[in-house]
Amino acid sequence: QVQLVQSGSELKKPGASVKVSCKASGYTFTSYGLNWVRQAPGQGLEWMGWITTNTGNPTYAQGFTGRFVFSLDTSVSTAYLQISSLKAEDTAVYYCARDGGYDLRYWGQGTLVTVSS
Amino acid sequence: QSALTQPASVSGSPGQSITISCTGTSSDVGGYNYVSWYQQHPGKAPKLMISDVSNRPSGVSHRFSGSKSGNTASLTLSGLQAEDEADYYCSSYTSSSTRVFGTGTKVTVL
Repeated sequence: QVQLVQSGSELKKPGASVKVSCKASGYTFTSYGLNWVRQAPGQGLEWMGWITTNTGNPTYAQGFTGRFVFSLDTSVSTAYLQISSLKAEDTAVYYCARDGGYDLRYWGQGTLVTVSS
Repeated sequence: QSALTQPASVSGSPGQSITISCTGTSSDVGGYNYVSWYQQHPGKAPKLMISDVSNRPSGVSHRFSGSKSGNTASLTLSGLQAEDEADYYCSSYTSSSTRVFGTGTKVTVL
């Protein structure tokens, strides 16, 4: 069965960087795109962008350019989200989600990133 | 890309039907039959409930149905049950080849 398993919670200081991983299993990794979705505490879902897993081409939504980087390691079927120069407002749960056509059919369990001094 | 507009909250009694609206523009909801709906219980990851406006993925209850008219999509929950109490989000493909989520709706079962 399709599974997306994300790395554990992170506590970081402002200005630091964080790298969240999303390990896929149960399907051919390079056949479906991987999306990233942010959910700030008590807030709704925000689509951050996606990365094509066959070419590694990222697309970033407005508001997620510059400090946010999507990457892959296809040898271990894993996608990564790196956020640099962390700010308090980056505190959120970050989800990876696999394309299912034009929907997000499978989701990781989420990774809580807390930015606090 | 602005978020799609959903009512903040909708409520109903067990057994009743409720409908959640999702309003966008001709560049997203109105332009494509690629609206999906997600259910999210507290502390859990979202779950796909409807894809491509009205398709139910395997395992999703027949009590959930989707439709679209113009720039507004709708999710109907029939025979409301206590387990349906959750947050619901719509999402649409856009003319910029991106995705956008709705503002989210909290469903309360009275």
